[in-house]
Amino acid sequence: DAGVIQSPRHEVTEMGQEVTLRCKPISGHNSLFWYRQTMMRGLELLIYFNNNVPIDDSGMPEDRFSAKMPNASFSTLKIQPSEPRDSAVYFCASSLGVTGAQETQYFGPGTRLLVL
Amino acid sequence: AQSVTQLDSQVPVFEEAPVELRCNYSSSVSVYLFWYVQYPNQGLQLLLKYLSGSTLVESINGFEAEFNKSQTSFHLRKPSVHISDTAEYFCALSRGGFQKLVFGTGTRLLVSP
Repeated sequence: DAGVIQSPRHEVTEMGQEVTLRCKPISGHNSLFWYRQTMMRGLELLIYFNNNVPIDDSGMPEDRFSAKMPNASFSTLKIQPSEPRDSAVYFCASSLGVTGAQETQYFGPGTRLLVL
Repeated sequence: AQSVTQLDSQVPVFEEAPVELRCNYSSSVSVYLFWYVQYPNQGLQLLLKYLSGSTLVESINGFEAEFNKSQTSFHLRKPSVHISDTAEYFCALSRGGFQKLVFGTGTRLLVSP
């Protein structure tokens, strides 16, 4: 199994530009999570999908952030327009999504975003 | 609301010494508890978890954690650490069902020779 796949691994962009992060969960997993990790705020859950439906998006910082899961094998996190304070490592994770939060989450390698 | 407190941001230790990473939680309902590990430049990996049953849970690489309901703690221990254990360790909890995981701020374990 290839594990959770994220692209790009690194992204450098200028303030105001649109950024799209991509995630392919492990095949057969029904839950998908987007996290953001910074030195100041630690690891934060942004949004959580189950069976392609957003379950909890209370962590999405503001309207500049949006996430979609058009099918079971693909999700995107978009930031438009980007700001320097969005610089962070963004992780995607997936789990079986059958019984809920007690299931192991499998994390991707992350996308390191730098907004200049 | 639930919360997780990891009291130590960094724990330096010599190789082959024992270590304890502390985790306390706050919740008014029963929770599931987890320890995840993050090696440099990688995503998080599950180390061990407590769901129910025996309060002592073990990982395959020698770590163990004990759920203590009266002290609302889930401390992580290892009797003898290796250089390769250098990583950041995150404690997390969940109420179960389709509730999200709540992570602590992490403890960086630094093992030196």
